[in-house]
Amino acid sequence: GQQLNQSPQSMFIQEGEDVSMNCTSSSIFNTWLWYKQEPGEGPVLLIALYKAGELTSNGRLTAQFGITRKDSFLNISASIPSDVGIYFCAGLGMDSNYQLIWGAGTKLIIKP
Amino acid sequence: DTGVSQNPRHKITKRGQNVTFRCDPISEHNRLYWYRQTLGQGPEFLTYFQNEAQLEKSRLLSDRFSAERPKGSFSTLEIQRTEQGDSAMYLCASSARPAIPGELFFGEGSRLTVL
Repeated sequence: GQQLNQSPQSMFIQEGEDVSMNCTSSSIFNTWLWYKQEPGEGPVLLIALYKAGELTSNGRLTAQFGITRKDSFLNISASIPSDVGIYFCAGLGMDSNYQLIWGAGTKLIIKP
Repeated sequence: DTGVSQNPRHKITKRGQNVTFRCDPISEHNRLYWYRQTLGQGPEFLTYFQNEAQLEKSRLLSDRFSAERPKGSFSTLEIQRTEQGDSAMYLCASSARPAIPGELFFGEGSRLTVL
């Protein structure tokens, strides 16, 4: 089945640093999404991307939909303690409008 | 402000027992989804409802799993004859109509531990 490869698996960074994570797929996606999950909570949508090449920002977060439609990246600028959590990429493929395919997540840990 | 509500939040059961989880979506959302999440993994799609109709079901979903949404509002997910491999977080999500593709609102999940 379809899979998303998300990297890195985890990141230990200093407060104030920029963060970059990415997601790749062996197949084409029509939609790329980035969610964040905090302990004991369900994932929350951060950014949605619907067009190849699209670059979208949400505050300090910026995400891009790759030109090949097989990858996406998420950048976080000037990280702060509340950025801690697990970031997931997710995609909607060609064969379903409902069935999101998820990466395994990037765990972000910020050293004070 | 009522988001997606799930209960119970935690369930510990013995292998072979049946368990049922309930999800109350955001009231104006007609689309409801069940996902399963294990430690260190992203959510895995289980099934999808539009109103009371179950429109999509994962091929990975064994026949021990059944979900219902009888009146198009709340939903239940039942697991019969539980196995240790069923231990996971079961997440419910809902979305509005017209839906923004991929925009789901998740509950806090129901964590199942099968002993």
